[in-house]
Amino acid sequence: AQSVTQLGSHVSVSEGALVLLRCNYSSSVPPYLFWYVQYPNQGLQLLLKYTSAATLVKGINGFEAEFKKSETSFHLTKPSAHMSDAAEYFCAVNTGNQFYFGTGTSLTVIP
Amino acid sequence: GAVVSQHPSWVICKSGTSVKIECRSLDFQATTMFWYRQFPKQSLMLMATSNEGSKATYEQGVEKDKFLINHASLTLSTLTVTSAHPEDSSFYICSAPRAGVTDTQYFGPGTRLTVL
Repeated sequence: AQSVTQLGSHVSVSEGALVLLRCNYSSSVPPYLFWYVQYPNQGLQLLLKYTSAATLVKGINGFEAEFKKSETSFHLTKPSAHMSDAAEYFCAVNTGNQFYFGTGTSLTVIP
Repeated sequence: GAVVSQHPSWVICKSGTSVKIECRSLDFQATTMFWYRQFPKQSLMLMATSNEGSKATYEQGVEKDKFLINHASLTLSTLTVTSAHPEDSSFYICSAPRAGVTDTQYFGPGTRLTVL
């Protein structure tokens, strides 16, 4: 069975501080892993994806994530938070043609 | 990049009426599309998989007679909420994988349904 766990439903950081959003997965086969961002009343926008190439994946808006098989993790980071980063973030795993989403992490950026 | 649109972006209807939501892939063909439902402050819940030219596949617990799905062409899937009730109020999102790039889903902007 495939699943994704996002630790922390709410994360608050100060503007300019490091952003760390946690995601752990379980998968019976090598997974494809994704991070999506959702702004209020909008659909999901792909931030980055891991598809078994480089373990450190760089995405849009300065975000990156590292695939760690030993820890079954795919945490999302950004060195310096910006006010515009405030949004809902979803980790997802795809092991075929179906996605399984985490419950989401709401990021608040404090000025 | 691949673009998926949804129409309408929001709709308000009376209880008992039916509402149709369209999902279109604008610059690519999609033999498969997915419909999700999202409650406030919650994650996406997969409702069904829409297959072009064949019946949709529904997830457990989703009433297929209430949520009618039609995948009429390679760029259009529709979700019809029949006899809508207030508990059907939600944010409905569709997605589609691009042919040949099956590892990535492209999401529509969502449709906010409010049933009075």
